Amino acid sequence: GAGVSQSPSNKVTEKGKDVELRCDPISGHTALYWYRQSLGQGLEFLIYFQGNSAPDKSGLPSDRFSAERTGGSVSTLTIQRTQQEDSAVYLCASSLMGNEQYFGPGTRLTVT
Amino acid sequence: SQELEQSPQSLIVQEGKNLTINCTSSKTLYGLYWYKQKYGEGLIFLMMLQKGGEEKSHEKITAKLDEKKQQSSLHITASQPSHAGIYLCGAERYSGGGADGLTFGKGTHLIIQP
Repeated sequence: GAGVSQSPSNKVTEKGKDVELRCDPISGHTALYWYRQSLGQGLEFLIYFQGNSAPDKSGLPSDRFSAERTGGSVSTLTIQRTQQEDSAVYLCASSLMGNEQYFGPGTRLTVT
Repeated sequence: SQELEQSPQSLIVQEGKNLTINCTSSKTLYGLYWYKQKYGEGLIFLMMLQKGGEEKSHEKITAKLDEKKQQSSLHITASQPSHAGIYLCGAERYSGGGADGLTFGKGTHLIIQP
């Protein structure tokens, strides 16, 4: 596609519910990244994929967070039993072989 | 992994004036990326620097990486309203290259006054 797309653009959920965030990378980009941006913490790395595998999950804040990527393309970030501190903008990026990363517009998650 | 400190945190500049934003690391930078973010939008890639002493320019924006590869600066000449936004520096998390993600500074909020 023309750029990285993310859905939904906004998500409001009740505390304790599960949410799924989706990322469609640029076609042909092998690497895919998830970041979280919040007022207090700035932009934090969460996880990245090379193809369908995630070599480094160390950035995931807790075991309530998980991500998968299928077919070397679309990725979903799942947050189980959401907490208020999960409220943030979740950004996805993709790149070709470790070159500059192209970011999507983000999903703004609000946990009430 | 890297920890990056950006300064200033925010900057208000009159249109037409020059400005500089700094990004400092306590460790050697293997790859330094500058991004711009418009409020409520994703990040736009500006430039990437890898070699000590490297300097790159695009339109009115110049980025430099010092010889020790621990500090980078972003300079905007004759600022315009379109330059307003949040500027973020990002560094490769590990020396193996940017493929395994970036660590970012907290950003510099730039406001251009007409």
